[in-house]
Amino acid sequence: GDSVTQMEGPVTLSEEAFLTINCTYTATGYPSLFWYVQYPGEGLQLLLKATKADDKGSNKGFEATYRKETTSFHLEKGSVQVSDSAVYFCALSPILTGGGNKLTFGTGTQLKVEL
Amino acid sequence: GAVVSQHPSRVICKSGTSVKIECRSLDFQATTMFWYRQFPKQSLMLMATSNEGSKATYEQGVEKDKFLINHASLTLSTLTVTSAHPEDSSFYICSAPRGDSEAFFGQGTRLTVV
Repeated sequence: GDSVTQMEGPVTLSEEAFLTINCTYTATGYPSLFWYVQYPGEGLQLLLKATKADDKGSNKGFEATYRKETTSFHLEKGSVQVSDSAVYFCALSPILTGGGNKLTFGTGTQLKVEL
Repeated sequence: GAVVSQHPSRVICKSGTSVKIECRSLDFQATTMFWYRQFPKQSLMLMATSNEGSKATYEQGVEKDKFLINHASLTLSTLTVTSAHPEDSSFYICSAPRGDSEAFFGQGTRLTVV
């Protein structure tokens, strides 16, 4: 079945450091890929998405590129801020969709950014 | 933007009792809602798909008699954990897709069974 593997946390960085959170997936066909963020005490929010190979999703300085050849969708940000502290989830949907279908999630990676 | 409200955010109940969790789409109609469960340090696992006007669809290994789902209207789905036991303690979260564009998530419910 479909699965998502993301790097374990927690990840602790200093403000303005470069962030990479690795995500790889296993799926048949051409899934859509997503990154969600969960701030403390809140629900998940869609951060960015990509629906086909080589697409780059971006939002709030975060980027991720859909790499079909390596089945990866790594999340990056050039300069993190304290306000980026949250849990980040990589997810996939098995069919071409904007995210309105059921999702398979990774385990989540907690990011803590310190001054 | 679209908002999904989940209530309660936290609940503590005694073993053997039942707990109801509500999930509401506040500014759009959702014929389908999804219920997930998250164990500590694990990913969110889909439990069931709630369908307005018909029975819920449960994922393999999820006991439908234990986790009762009712999609009462186009804006409300409820999950009732019946005869709760300590092993049911977990984080439950719902989502409601708006069309096929995006799924919006509730704030989640932290259930503790003592």
